[in-house]
Amino acid sequence: KNQVEQSPQSLIILEGKNCTLQCNYTVSPFSNLRWYKQDTGRGPVSLTIMTFSENTKSNGRYTATLDADTKQSSLHITASQLSDSASYICVVILTGGGNKLTFGTGTQLKVEL
Amino acid sequence: NAGVMQNPRHLVRRRGQEARLRCSPMKGHSHVYWYRQLPEEGLKFMVYLQKENIIDESGMPKERFSAEFPKEGPSILRIQQVVRGDSAAYFCASSSVGDTQYFGPGTRLTVL
Repeated sequence: KNQVEQSPQSLIILEGKNCTLQCNYTVSPFSNLRWYKQDTGRGPVSLTIMTFSENTKSNGRYTATLDADTKQSSLHITASQLSDSASYICVVILTGGGNKLTFGTGTQLKVEL
Repeated sequence: NAGVMQNPRHLVRRRGQEARLRCSPMKGHSHVYWYRQLPEEGLKFMVYLQKENIIDESGMPKERFSAEFPKEGPSILRIQQVVRGDSAAYFCASSSVGDTQYFGPGTRLTVL
């Protein structure tokens, strides 16, 4: 069983709409949780980084939240654009894990006109 | 400042051949990580290296796979006697100490 689960697996939304992606993790203790964006055929790019003590972090139209009690994180995308079409990956770094990343399987987002 | 460079971007090998994947970290980064992404799956950690040292290879298959990061030159991920199941995208990332990892564009390996 994957230690970082994401939902939904895929999502289609219209341009301009908002959406929220979910991440549930079982790994602990962790030092920080990150959301990455991976365009097709490209490497992942970091969007947000949150330590276990942070509740929310924003980066432009991206806002990530973290609830360490329930071990859940979400990524909210506001006013979606066609260029937001990509895979969004939740990543956990374990405390003492030597900066080793544990990846979720990702949510494939498609933004349509 | 150039980002993480990987080459080749695409590599085709026949079963039994060797595959060599190269990764040049960002300038100033001394930590390199290799990840594998199988079709329809998430990225999986393989190995973490610093210059001339393997720090964590807990994700590396026990046989046929090896990695190095020499004092000079790029990091190399080497796969001997490739099999069809090795077909995947291999990503390299680099970082400074305890810092964000920056990913390269990946090498897509196809084994015929």
